[in-house]
Amino acid sequence: DVKVTQSSRYLVKRTGEKVFLECVQDMDHENMFWYRQDPGLGLRLIYFSYDVKMKEKGDIPEGYSVSREKKERFSLILESASTNQTSMYLCASSLYSNQPQHFGDGTRLSIL
Amino acid sequence: LAKTTQPISMDSYEGQEVNITCSHNNIATNDYITWYQQFPSQGPRFIIQGYKTKVTNEVASLFIPADRKSSTLSLPRVSLSDTAVYYCLVGGGSNYKLTFGKGTLLTVNP
Repeated sequence: DVKVTQSSRYLVKRTGEKVFLECVQDMDHENMFWYRQDPGLGLRLIYFSYDVKMKEKGDIPEGYSVSREKKERFSLILESASTNQTSMYLCASSLYSNQPQHFGDGTRLSIL
Repeated sequence: LAKTTQPISMDSYEGQEVNITCSHNNIATNDYITWYQQFPSQGPRFIIQGYKTKVTNEVASLFIPADRKSSTLSLPRVSLSDTAVYYCLVGGGSNYKLTFGKGTLLTVNP
């Protein structure tokens, strides 16, 4: 069965910290995605990657960066966390761009 | 990018058929239409995907008219456990960027 695993369900960090959110998929999928989800705004795409070491900006990339050194792992980095980055972060993967995405259960990140 | 519009919320009763419509007026030729279901504290779960006409699986049907500018997710005989947020997603094809609608909160009442 398809499995997307996010390293933490809940995370609390302080303003200005560098924060790493990790995501691993075990399906040999080409594409991986990072979204954030906020009440009333639905899911918004931050970054995605269609191959190792490749990345593309989504709709809201400001304040974030990503890393994909291995096919199965996609990391989201908050270089200097701010309170407006408090949110639910969701990772997803898909085999090809027209295939359904499979989501992890999310990381609820609080920046104090 | 194709933008989608869905109702913010819908109410239904157990045993009824529920239809949720999504508008996507500027859908691209290569775009697919995908629907997801999300429960609180969980990631979205894939329900159904289609390109045109009608698609049916064990949990839902998806109706897409010829102009593809809208789509309708149909859930037959809903139960209380179908209470969730339903997202319409347009994209894929040769374009990796995907657009989620803001979701429809479906509440199924006893």
